[in-house]
Amino acid sequence: NAGVTQTPKFQVLKTGQSMTLQCAQDMNHEYMSWYRQDPGMGLRLIHYSVGAGITDQGEVPNGYNVSRSTTEDFPLRLLSAAPSQTSVYFCAPTGEVQPQHFGDGTRLSIL
Amino acid sequence: DAKTTQPNSMESNEEEPVHLPCNHSTISGTDYIHWYRQLPSQGPEYVIHGLTSNVNNRMASLAIAEDRKSSTLILHRATLRDAAVYYCILRPRSNDYKLSFGAGTTVTVRA
Repeated sequence: NAGVTQTPKFQVLKTGQSMTLQCAQDMNHEYMSWYRQDPGMGLRLIHYSVGAGITDQGEVPNGYNVSRSTTEDFPLRLLSAAPSQTSVYFCAPTGEVQPQHFGDGTRLSIL
Repeated sequence: DAKTTQPNSMESNEEEPVHLPCNHSTISGTDYIHWYRQLPSQGPEYVIHGLTSNVNNRMASLAIAEDRKSSTLILHRATLRDAAVYYCILRPRSNDYKLSFGAGTTVTVRA
């Protein structure tokens, strides 16, 4: 998916560990969002940002923090990993009327 | 928030058309109808969107009912690469980018 880079692609954590999932875009989109997708389920919105310095909660924000210091980057932080946060995480920048562009995802397992 | 209803699954033969229905009976006048699809182990990708008129692009066609309470995504000649989960989503025209992904329709294409 050109224009959206998510790192790492895979990660295994132990319960209680913290980590940051990175998302970078070069499309100059103001809006960015983070979704999680559990096995066999649709995507659920975690947090989103409508521009640098502005973030808000989505449907399932508990256990996650975000910040938006630049237009390009929108990192997602897991504060204290729990097995229930095992999921695939997608970052999605979008323009005002343009479709969302999803990254390839970060597959996170928490033991 | 307006919701959509899709069948859980559909099957098709290769080279045949696929018609994917979506009901959105509580759609508001400013909601755009978006379709995304998700190939195995990938992030969702944009397929097509429309407001009132039927739309065509290189990937698919979107037929929107006159009362806008339903729509149909049409894949004209299914290929094996079209096997994916297809999501029908309503996106407000306003600056509300919080898309709601349901379970979608899983499309299987038989060779």
